[in-house]
Amino acid sequence: NAGVTQTPKFRILKIGQSMTLQCTQDMNHNYMYWYRQDPGMGLKLIYYSVGAGITDKGEVPNGYNVSRSTTEDFPLRLELAAPSQTSVYFCASSYSGDRNSNQPQHFGDGTRLSIL
Amino acid sequence: AQSVTQLGSHVSVSEGALVLLRCNYSSSVPPYLFWYVQYPNQGLQLLLKYTTGATLVKGINGFEAEFKKSETSFHLTKPSAHMSDAAEYFCAVSSGSARQLTFGSGTQLTVLP
Repeated sequence: NAGVTQTPKFRILKIGQSMTLQCTQDMNHNYMYWYRQDPGMGLKLIYYSVGAGITDKGEVPNGYNVSRSTTEDFPLRLELAAPSQTSVYFCASSYSGDRNSNQPQHFGDGTRLSIL
Repeated sequence: AQSVTQLGSHVSVSEGALVLLRCNYSSSVPPYLFWYVQYPNQGLQLLLKYTTGATLVKGINGFEAEFKKSETSFHLTKPSAHMSDAAEYFCAVSSGSARQLTFGSGTQLTVLP
């Protein structure tokens, strides 16, 4: 069972470069999320999606873009990399369930990104 | 807006001692609460989740958490620490159309031999 798969695991970018962080899940989950993790700050939500074709901003969306063309994939795009985007990025997914269900999120292993 | 406060960014216990990691939340009712664990260079793994109606929630690896509505707390405990428990622990509350998670800042648990 693959679960949530993120690629690449590590990347070094120069300021101003662009890249796409890939995320795919094989659990047929409707909900998908992108978080960034900075030391001592916990995880902050960047973007999320409730299904194919639907995305919305989280707490820290500036400098990022997402798309959701399929249920399985939820790529995160950095257009102009800045040092402030040096972080560890986690993708997660969850089953939508019924309105009152408490469905947990399943996380990938993360992408460690350095902007120099 | 939801918020989660974890008291103590670093906690050290001796092997075999009680583990207590504190979490207080601010949330509309009912709160959907979780504890996750993160081992070095890995993603987050679910330890346990709060289900409405239960005050004591049991999770994996011998951990449990007690929901106290009057104190808006969801503290994580384990009676006897093991070396393998050394990790970072995150408390989180979910809300919104996609049940997005708001995380606490995390508590790094060190287990001393």
